[in-house]
Amino acid sequence: GAVVSQHPSRVICKSGTSVKIECRSLDFQATTMFWYRQFPKQSLMLMATSNEGSKATYEQGVEKDKFLINHASLTLSTLTVTSAHPEDSSFYICSASDRELYGYTFGSGTRLTVV
Amino acid sequence: RKEVEQDPGPFNVPEGATVAFNCTYSNSASQSFFWYRQDCRKEPKLLMSVYSSGNEDGRFTAQLNRASQYISLLIRDSKLSDSATYLCVVLRGGSYIPTFGRGTSLIVHP
Repeated sequence: GAVVSQHPSRVICKSGTSVKIECRSLDFQATTMFWYRQFPKQSLMLMATSNEGSKATYEQGVEKDKFLINHASLTLSTLTVTSAHPEDSSFYICSASDRELYGYTFGSGTRLTVV
Repeated sequence: RKEVEQDPGPFNVPEGATVAFNCTYSNSASQSFFWYRQDCRKEPKLLMSVYSSGNEDGRFTAQLNRASQYISLLIRDSKLSDSATYLCVVLRGGSYIPTFGRGTSLIVHP
């Protein structure tokens, strides 16, 4: 089945630094990649939608200059949390869609802790 | 009204019980619906799609009620391993963008 590899699985960083999270689709072409954030006991909140080769579409309230998304190829999308602060600590997870597939394949998530 | 609403629970049931969850959605143009399962600190995984005619997979049955704008998930003969959070997913009408409910927590005890 379709697999999405997400790295790193866990990262602890100092306040003010930037963190890059990668998602790769291993055996299919991800025409669309979704980035979510999930706080404890909360639902997955869509942050942005990116299509290969075009700018990401951000959800209302998500700062595009803080959460940089790059979807340069059909198999790789990255999310960079710039100048991270403790309130950015969360579980970040990507999901890829190939319009030939039915459903969405998720990466394993990245637990970010900003200290 | 939220796009997708679920009762967060938890639903606490004994092994062997039958349990049902509902999920309501606000956009009547929504066309595609799914149930995902999420274990603690893990990524969601597709449990089943929800078709207009209903869908059954072993102990799991999913139904769609367009008139009342809700989908349901029925689990029969609950197992301990069914303990998880069940997420309702609705595709925004005319798009591939999924909206997730906050999930319903199920705890199956011996």
